[in-house]
Amino acid sequence: QKEVEQDPGPLSVPEGAIVSLNCTYSNSAFQYFMWYRQYSRKGPELLMYTYSSGNKEDGRFTAQVDKSSKYISLFIRDSQPSDSATYLCAMSLTTDSWGKLQFGAGTQVVVTP
Amino acid sequence: DAGVTQSPTHLIKTRGQQVTLRCSPKSGHDTVSWYQQALGQGPQFIFQYYEEEERQRGNFPDRFSGHQFPNYSSELNVNALLLGDSALYLCASSLYEGVVVETQYFGPGTRLLVL
Repeated sequence: QKEVEQDPGPLSVPEGAIVSLNCTYSNSAFQYFMWYRQYSRKGPELLMYTYSSGNKEDGRFTAQVDKSSKYISLFIRDSQPSDSATYLCAMSLTTDSWGKLQFGAGTQVVVTP
Repeated sequence: DAGVTQSPTHLIKTRGQQVTLRCSPKSGHDTVSWYQQALGQGPQFIFQYYEEEERQRGNFPDRFSGHQFPNYSSELNVNALLLGDSALYLCASSLYEGVVVETQYFGPGTRLLVL
């Protein structure tokens, strides 16, 4: 079993819809949780990171962490075709280990006009 | 301000050969991490360099080695290439400030194909 599980998709939604992405993990020692966006033939780009359980909002993006269930989510409101990309969740044990991130396999998102 | 740059962009090698990939970190960054991303998978951590030393290492064999230079740029070397080494190799840079590590910035990657 992988430490971080993520549905690969693809997830297809119409423009303006809410995109809902999630990851589950098995190691309860993970403390820091990130979401990256990766466009085709590009490196990952950090969207959000959270530390504690709860919600964190940044513009159209909301990240949720439920440590008791070992489950994290990312919601994208008012989705745009430019949001079409692969979304990767990642997590680390400590801030000192931010270099050693454990990634999910990524979910491909397609937003259709 | 230049971001993370990597060279070459693409590379084709045959089994058993050796390869060297290069990375220049974002201006002001002093820490470089390397990742391997197989097709359809998330990146897997190879190792991290800080102050010219390997600081952390993932579950990769000794065929994977690296180096960091005084100007913070870094190289990833892979010896005795296997078909399974075909992947996108990503470099990420960050600034280490005590226990707080700034956001990692990823480069575009080097796509390696082993035949």
